[in-house]
Amino acid sequence: DVKVTQSSRYLVKRTGEKVFLECVQDMDHENMFWYRQDPGLGLRLIYFSYDVKMKEKGDIPEGYSVSREKKERFSLILESASTNQTSMYLCASSFTIGTGEGYGYTFGSGTRLTVV
Amino acid sequence: QKEVEQNSGPLSVPEGAIASLNCTYSDRGSQSFFWYRQYSGKSPELIMFIYSNGDKEDGRFTAQLNKASQYVSLLIRDSQPSDSATYLCAVNINNDMRFGAGTRLTVKP
Repeated sequence: DVKVTQSSRYLVKRTGEKVFLECVQDMDHENMFWYRQDPGLGLRLIYFSYDVKMKEKGDIPEGYSVSREKKERFSLILESASTNQTSMYLCASSFTIGTGEGYGYTFGSGTRLTVV
Repeated sequence: QKEVEQNSGPLSVPEGAIASLNCTYSDRGSQSFFWYRQYSGKSPELIMFIYSNGDKEDGRFTAQLNKASQYVSLLIRDSQPSDSATYLCAVNINNDMRFGAGTRLTVKP
């Protein structure tokens, strides 16, 4: 089974802290994604990466950055945590085949981040 | 118009009934279509995908795709209380996956 592992299930951080969320996948997937999920707002894409050292902004990148130094690892960084970044953060990964027909995503178990 | 629209529900069906979940999408270039199940407090889990017009069956689940109408649905036959979850529709175009907001399904014993 494909596994996508997120380093923490629950995190509590203080406003202004720099926060690192780690995600590791073990199936050699090219693509990795970071989403946040909030009640009533659904899944919103923060950043994604189709290859090592490559990153693209999603729909809501403000206040976040990412790093992909190795194919299996994709890190989300909150440069200066704020209370409006309290959310469930979900990492996902996938293969790509052909010119756009893709496999579905495999999600990690999520990190529930609370910023106080 | 949202890119992927789902009825937010909640949808409630009795145990043993057929649950029908619907999704429409706006981009005619969409190439592949997915259904995810998300239990409360858990992450989404892929349960079905479909690429071609028509029906695709997997156990109690059937995905239906009509590209002309830009419509995809998920039918759950013989619904069980364990099917109670939020179901997310997702549409992929050129590796850009767009999710609907989800439909919450409750199956009552």
